[in-house]
Amino acid sequence: EPEVTQTPSHQVTQMGQEVILRCVPISNHLYFYWYRQILGQKVEFLVSFYNNEISEKSEIFDDQFSVERPDGSNFTLKIRSTKLEDSAMYFCASSVIRASNQPQHFGDGTRLSIL
Amino acid sequence: TQLLEQSPQFLSIQEGENLTVYCNSSSVFSSLQWYRQEPGEGPVLLVTVVTGGEVKKLKRLTFQFGDARKDSSLHITAAQPGDTGLYLCASRGGSSNTGKLIFGQGTTLQVKP
Repeated sequence: EPEVTQTPSHQVTQMGQEVILRCVPISNHLYFYWYRQILGQKVEFLVSFYNNEISEKSEIFDDQFSVERPDGSNFTLKIRSTKLEDSAMYFCASSVIRASNQPQHFGDGTRLSIL
Repeated sequence: TQLLEQSPQFLSIQEGENLTVYCNSSSVFSSLQWYRQEPGEGPVLLVTVVTGGEVKKLKRLTFQFGDARKDSSLHITAAQPGDTGLYLCASRGGSSNTGKLIFGQGTTLQVKP
């Protein structure tokens, strides 16, 4: 069964550095998402992306964050200048369409640790 | 913004016991999804419920959607150690039409052999 893949599985970075988290969504999917889960807290929506542009973003997704689909397969999340509070699991998800009864398929996440 | 409240937050039971997990909201769900997440992995969809009063079964798991579509429950019969994990309910975000999911805080289930 096709799946969403994320790399790296664990990223350790010094505060203030830039990080890029990578995702390869399922090939025929059209809608892409990033979520994060701070340890012990709920999964939170960051951003949705469709047709090469952001559809919606949350309050968390400030100017330090950006997303890109640089080619036909990768979907990246960049954090320009990381802060300690950016430490979390970051999940990429994709879906064929956005209808409410359609599943989103999640990757296994990237654990981001900011030192 | 729609908020989803799950209860209980933690549940530790013996193998063979039954359990029920609840998901509630102050506003109506357009639909509700239940996910299961194991350590080190992403959430995996178990079921989507759409119609008020709907009941869906997945082996020993029974999912119910409240008549008013403001609550849902997950019942596990004769729990097994393999059922251990984090159970999350999620709904599409309010009036958002971008597909974003809003998650509850999850119920951590531990089934002891």
